Amino acid sequence: SYGLTQPPSVSVSPGQTASITCSGDKLGNKYVSWYEQKAGRSPVLVIHQDNRRPSGIPDRFSGSNSGNTATLSIRGTQSADEADYYCQVWDSNTGVFGTGTKVTVL
Amino acid sequence: QLQLQESGPGLVKPSETLSLTCNVSGYSIIRSSYYWAWVRQPPGEGLEWIGNIFYSGSTYYNPSLNSRVTISVETSTNQFSLNLTSVTAADTAVYYCARRHTSGALDFWGQGTLVTVSS
Repeated sequence: SYGLTQPPSVSVSPGQTASITCSGDKLGNKYVSWYEQKAGRSPVLVIHQDNRRPSGIPDRFSGSNSGNTATLSIRGTQSADEADYYCQVWDSNTGVFGTGTKVTVL
Repeated sequence: QLQLQESGPGLVKPSETLSLTCNVSGYSIIRSSYYWAWVRQPPGEGLEWIGNIFYSGSTYYNPSLNSRVTISVETSTNQFSLNLTSVTAADTAVYYCARRHTSGALDFWGQGTLVTVSS
């Protein structure tokens, strides 16, 4: 079955850029979505189709996808960005989530 | 504004069937080409996709759960449901319903409901 691997944790200083990677076989051939999940809350879509932001998501959030790696970048990271982040794709009509990355703003 | 709300028992005994319903408001399930999904999250763990259903009844399921899961839709009440049979403690999780946009993204989520499997 298809798998997506993310680093368990990423630490970033306030105001800096956080980069979260998502790795999978030929991932660049698939559309990647990214979700933010704050403690005790439902996931929120922050990026879809690799690099598109839904309405209401700040332009500090951006995405890219090429080869075997997709990346979610959070520019000007704030304490409010502390959350778990998950990548997600569809593989032959099967939904697959990444392992998740906890972002800590130090 | 689209809203999804999960409902169902919070406690299920081992070997029994977990049944949840997602009520969709502010949007008709049959209105356009969207799938409707179930996702779960065991305590302290990551997200796991369970399956999707189209308003016509067409379904896709997670292969790891395929033999135990059924998702159905009731267009007259604008709801869709999840049944998971022969549950064990490993099925303890927060269960979310969500809408799958045509882009593939899960763009609207319910608040989630915790289901505990215990005798």
